[in-house]
Amino acid sequence: LAKTTQPISMDSYEGQEVNITCSHNNIATNDYITWYQQFPSQGPRFIIQGYKTKVTNEVASLFIPADRKSSTLSLPRVSLSDTAVYYCLVVYSGAGSYQLTFGKGTKLSVIP
Amino acid sequence: DTGVSQNPRHKITKRGQNVTFRCDPISEHNRLYWYRQTLGQGPEFLTYFQNEAQLEKSRLLSDRFSAERPKGSFSTLEIQRTEQGDSAMYLCASSLDREDEQYFGPGTRLTVT
Repeated sequence: LAKTTQPISMDSYEGQEVNITCSHNNIATNDYITWYQQFPSQGPRFIIQGYKTKVTNEVASLFIPADRKSSTLSLPRVSLSDTAVYYCLVVYSGAGSYQLTFGKGTKLSVIP
Repeated sequence: DTGVSQNPRHKITKRGQNVTFRCDPISEHNRLYWYRQTLGQGPEFLTYFQNEAQLEKSRLLSDRFSAERPKGSFSTLEIQRTEQGDSAMYLCASSLDREDEQYFGPGTRLTVT
């Protein structure tokens, strides 16, 4: 049974690094792992995407171990404006189906 | 503004009525996705299109739901005989292709009374 698991919530002080891990067993071998940020009453917004090892862009890093059973989003030096819900998105495929699956989201609260 | 627009932004309907939502993706994007999101949950995949072809539907998707993407441009999602359980935010996203990031619209919030 395909299942994607994230912590429900996390708190962090401003300026700290935040790491959010998503567990996703048996994901498709040929598809990317993607992370999104969502503010209330808005659609999700792309943060970062990777296939394996480490990817870094101007806002975040993404760590993916070789077995691809989990991924960790790293946000350096968070600010109050990073308070949002963060989702991982993975693909489960098999028996001719292709299912995009979001995690339930991690609500990050940044404290001054 | 991501470039993906959805209309209407809000829809209130009575149980048993049919509703239709529209999504206009970024013009050069080949892929278009529909998701449903309820309060406190992540978006739930409904279906996606590659150009005008509907390639996948969620196994959880009721037969009351249908989607089209004529000519590979805008898309419509219709819900027939709405039920209170259909109340949710309906999100549309588009991407250039399979490996590319999805750009989400602002969503259509449906309330079934």
